[in-house]
Amino acid sequence: AQSVTQLGSHVSVSEGALVLLRCNYSSSVPPYLFWYVQYPNQGLQLLLKYTSAATLVKGINGFEAEFKKSETSFHLTKPSAHMSDAAEYFCAHLGDSTLGRLYFGRGTQLTVWP
Amino acid sequence: NAGVMQNPRHLVRRRGQEARLRCSPMKGHSHVYWYRQLPEEGLKFMVYLQKENIIDESGMPKERFSAEFPKEGPSILRIQQVVRGDSAAYFCASSPHARTGDQPQHFGDGTRLSIL
Repeated sequence: AQSVTQLGSHVSVSEGALVLLRCNYSSSVPPYLFWYVQYPNQGLQLLLKYTSAATLVKGINGFEAEFKKSETSFHLTKPSAHMSDAAEYFCAHLGDSTLGRLYFGRGTQLTVWP
Repeated sequence: NAGVMQNPRHLVRRRGQEARLRCSPMKGHSHVYWYRQLPEEGLKFMVYLQKENIIDESGMPKERFSAEFPKEGPSILRIQQVVRGDSAAYFCASSPHARTGDQPQHFGDGTRLSIL
């Protein structure tokens, strides 16, 4: 079955510290991988996507993610956390691009302490 | 704002009533996806529609749920005879074509459905 696993439902960091949100995927087809952010009472906003091009993907708001096929991972990082980064983050996997359905992880709630 | 528009943002229904959730895709997008988010969980795919066609409804519950995307007007997700377990946030997403890998889905702000 196609799935993504996010390790850690809650992550807390201090402002200015490194942010690392983990995502592992399982799939037998070439993956399309996404990270979305959800602020309270809002929809999902795309942070970045991997589509078989460069393995290091840069997104909005200073986030980036590295695709590692050997580890089946697509972890999201940001060198220096900001208070405004506090939100829920979802890793998603598109197993079959012709059908379009996304498979989401359970999400990681990021808290940023001042 | 030319984003995906969902209404209502909040909907309260009593058990046994019907709930209708509406989604207007982004301009130029003809592919619509519905997802459900239960508390403490990620989004789960429900149904994928194009204009006047249901492409993939493998995530839809077998009973009480239906979806449509008519030639004119918004996409509608309809839940008949709602039960407490239907309480969730329902999100709509749209894309300009089927290859979501190239053109990611854009999400609306969701409808929060509460069942009394």
